[in-house]
Amino acid sequence: GNSVTQMEGPVTLSEEAFLTINCTYTATGYPSLFWYVQYPGEGLQLLLKATKADDKGSNKGFEATYRKETTSFHLEKGSVQVSDSAVYFCACTGTASKLTFGTGTRLQVTL
Amino acid sequence: GAGVSQSPRYKVAKRGQDVALRCDPISGHVSLFWYQQALGQGPEFLTYFQNEAQLDKSGLPSDRFFAERPEGSVSTLKIQRTQQEDSAVYLCASTSRTNTEAFFGQGTRLTVV
Repeated sequence: GNSVTQMEGPVTLSEEAFLTINCTYTATGYPSLFWYVQYPGEGLQLLLKATKADDKGSNKGFEATYRKETTSFHLEKGSVQVSDSAVYFCACTGTASKLTFGTGTRLQVTL
Repeated sequence: GAGVSQSPRYKVAKRGQDVALRCDPISGHVSLFWYQQALGQGPEFLTYFQNEAQLDKSGLPSDRFFAERPEGSVSTLKIQRTQQEDSAVYLCASTSRTNTEAFFGQGTRLTVV
């Protein structure tokens, strides 16, 4: 079956620092790739997605590029804010849109 | 409704009790998924419905877990004879027919004591 590996947290950054959260996947076929975010006390929200190789997903200053050759979908943001503090999950689809998630990376941004 | 709604938000059950968790998907969404999220882990797939048909239940951890969606809308996840290892957040998600984006509810946090 599919699997997703993402860097362990917590990641602690100062405001305006550059963020990278690594994600690699193992999947058959041509999965779609996602980053979901879970803010404290809230449900999972889709942050961005990419459906085919070389696509770049972007939202709220975050971006990630679907790299088939390295089976990666790393999340980046040029300048993080305190409000970005959350848990970030990388995921890929299998059959019928079933999602396989990584274990999550907690991001803490300080002033 | 505007989003996926789950109830209750929190449930404490004594070991051996049966529990029922409810999910109201976004109106008109055909597909419905249940996931289990243990503390500090990512969500793990439990089961999937397309309309009222349960097409995949490969993630259900034991025969104590049962899910239904009899009219193709609201779904119920039932856990019989709860055990401590069942303690987790149970997430429901729905997708429309043509969009692979899954919309998640806020989850039900089940604690078995």
